[in-house]
Amino acid sequence: AQRVTQPEKLLSVFKGAPVELKCNYSYSGSPELFWYVQYSRQRLQLLLRHISRESIKGFTADLNKGETSFHLKKPFAQEEDSAMYYCALKVDSNYQLIWGAGTKLIIKP
Amino acid sequence: DAGITQSPRHKVTETGTPVTLRCHQTENHRYMYWYRQDPGHGLRLIHYSYGVKDTDKGEVSDGYSVSRSKTEDFLLTLESATSSQTSVYFCAISESKLSHSYYGYTFGSGTRLTVV
Repeated sequence: AQRVTQPEKLLSVFKGAPVELKCNYSYSGSPELFWYVQYSRQRLQLLLRHISRESIKGFTADLNKGETSFHLKKPFAQEEDSAMYYCALKVDSNYQLIWGAGTKLIIKP
Repeated sequence: DAGITQSPRHKVTETGTPVTLRCHQTENHRYMYWYRQDPGHGLRLIHYSYGVKDTDKGEVSDGYSVSRSKTEDFLLTLESATSSQTSVYFCAISESKLSHSYYGYTFGSGTRLTVV
């Protein structure tokens, strides 16, 4: 079954501390994974996609096929990182995304 | 302007009444999606469209219908609203499979629907 799991509903860290938001997936095909972010009162927007191996706003995410994970990391959290983060999996058969339940990240001053 | 608008932004309706939400895009993208967002569930796909008059069901389609008579408009109808359909509804668009891999979905601002 195709599934995306974000085990933490809420993650709270202090400003300047490292952040890791976990994402695990279950998919028998070749996965494409994304992180989307929703800041307060704003629309969902794409943050990262694994195919481009980029760093956006200091965040990185590496696809680990052996562990079926795509964790989002940032070495030094900033208050403006507080938001809802969603991990999503694109399946080959159509153009749908399978979404995780989301993790609310709170950065404490 | 993100090229996608949803209307209305907020709506309160009574149980048993039909409700239609509208998604309008100016990007001429082929693919359009309706999601609902609920705490603990993330986003769940209701219906999607891959062209004019081409639609298909998502994982939570019961009680919902859609129509796409023009490329730019994707309508979501709750045939007889129930309290369990109280949610935030998001529309999203995607140009193609390839562009989605590189650019992801573009989302609307959402419609907050309350069924009383």
